[in-house]
Amino acid sequence: EVQLVESGGALVQQGGSLRLSCAASGFTFTSYAMSWVRQSPGKGLEWVSAISAGGGSATYYADSVKGRFTISRDNSKNTLYLQVNSLRAEDTALYYCASSGAGTWSFGFWGQGTLVTVSS
Amino acid sequence: EIVMTQSPATLSVSPGERATLPCRASQRISSNLAWYQQKPGQAPRLLISGASTRATGIPARFSGSGSGTEFTLTISSLQSEDFAVYYCQQYNNWPFTFGGGTKVEIK
Repeated sequence: EVQLVESGGALVQQGGSLRLSCAASGFTFTSYAMSWVRQSPGKGLEWVSAISAGGGSATYYADSVKGRFTISRDNSKNTLYLQVNSLRAEDTALYYCASSGAGTWSFGFWGQGTLVTVSS
Repeated sequence: EIVMTQSPATLSVSPGERATLPCRASQRISSNLAWYQQKPGQAPRLLISGASTRATGIPARFSGSGSGTEFTLTISSLQSEDFAVYYCQQYNNWPFTFGGGTKVEIK
């Protein structure tokens, strides 16, 4: 059974940093591209960042987070990361990790999310 | 950035009726479109990828159609468990983008 379990969310002050983690199990983690998607309270979904399968040589970011967030993966630990720096109030959201399927970038599996709250 | 538009924001439908949810892309995206269902307090669930391919375990009453810029999710006969928010998402161009969602509520 595929499982994605996020952690690392917290209440943090504006300008602060966090590292979000997503522990994967039940599938061959290294073979699949991974993404982070966030959802502000009561709002819709916003794609944040993605990383290619394998060594993760290719990374992609939404303009709203470029230069502040860094996605990475550790295939030896089956874990996806998102380093979030220079946090702003508008970064407050539930952050989901999601896996893509073979040959597609659609998000076939999702975790339950980890909550990041940025206070001013 | 490709803008995905879902209208209406809310659709009121009676159980057993058909629901038709449109999604429009601001540029052509071939068939690189997915549909997700989200219920309160839950993570989104993939329904359709490639504009028309049902994900594993998705009932046949869900179908997707379209290509280019115009897409549709159809629920042929709404069941009680189908009342939820539905999002379309393009994955043809970076950055990936979602539509604002359509909430399907009980009429």
